[in-house]
Amino acid sequence: AQKITQTQPGMFVQEKEAVTLDCTYDTSDPSYGLFWYKQPSSGEMIFLIYQGSYDQQNATEGRYSLNFQKARKSANLVISASQLGDSAMYFCAMREEKSSASKIIFGSGTRLSIRP
Amino acid sequence: EAQVTQNPRYLITVTGKKLTVTCSQNMNHEYMSWYRQDPGLGLRQIYYSMNVEVTDKGDVPEGYKVSRKEKRNFPLILESPSPNQTSLYFCASSLWGPGRTVTQYFGPGTRLTVL
Repeated sequence: AQKITQTQPGMFVQEKEAVTLDCTYDTSDPSYGLFWYKQPSSGEMIFLIYQGSYDQQNATEGRYSLNFQKARKSANLVISASQLGDSAMYFCAMREEKSSASKIIFGSGTRLSIRP
Repeated sequence: EAQVTQNPRYLITVTGKKLTVTCSQNMNHEYMSWYRQDPGLGLRQIYYSMNVEVTDKGDVPEGYKVSRKEKRNFPLILESPSPNQTSLYFCASSLWGPGRTVTQYFGPGTRLTVL
């Protein structure tokens, strides 16, 4: 069965520092996608970054990068130069990418707090 | 404006009274999905649909029904709500298919309380 694990319930980071949020996953499917979402206190879900299982290079989107280590089944999110507005819940998610099925599972999340 | 809309945003109801939460998207997305969010558990997928008339169970489908008669709409039906279905519900949509962008767009959420 598929599984996503986020082992850091909460993190405190000083503004302008880089931060790594951990995510490990488990699947037997060869084709899958990995996502990170941000949920600020206002409640909306904001897509940050996507990595396909066959992508050779790590995904990057502005200050966000995904450190994809396929053999270790990890997909850590790296935020460079953190800002106060980065304080939020962060969720890692995995999606089946079969032609006939596409379940999505989420981790339990990491609450990131940025200190000024 | 590209968006996913959900209605109602807030709902308080009583046990056993059937309800429907609507979800609509204007992006011509094939894939639509419902999630519930509970503290400490993240988001859990209830049902998803890969296209019109194609629906499948997520991880927590018990007590819920869905239908996908049109591409843009994906309503969530609770035939006989119970207090353990009190939660924050999100609808989401995305494109689907090989080589296509799979970013999910989320609705604003529906906070449901079942007394």
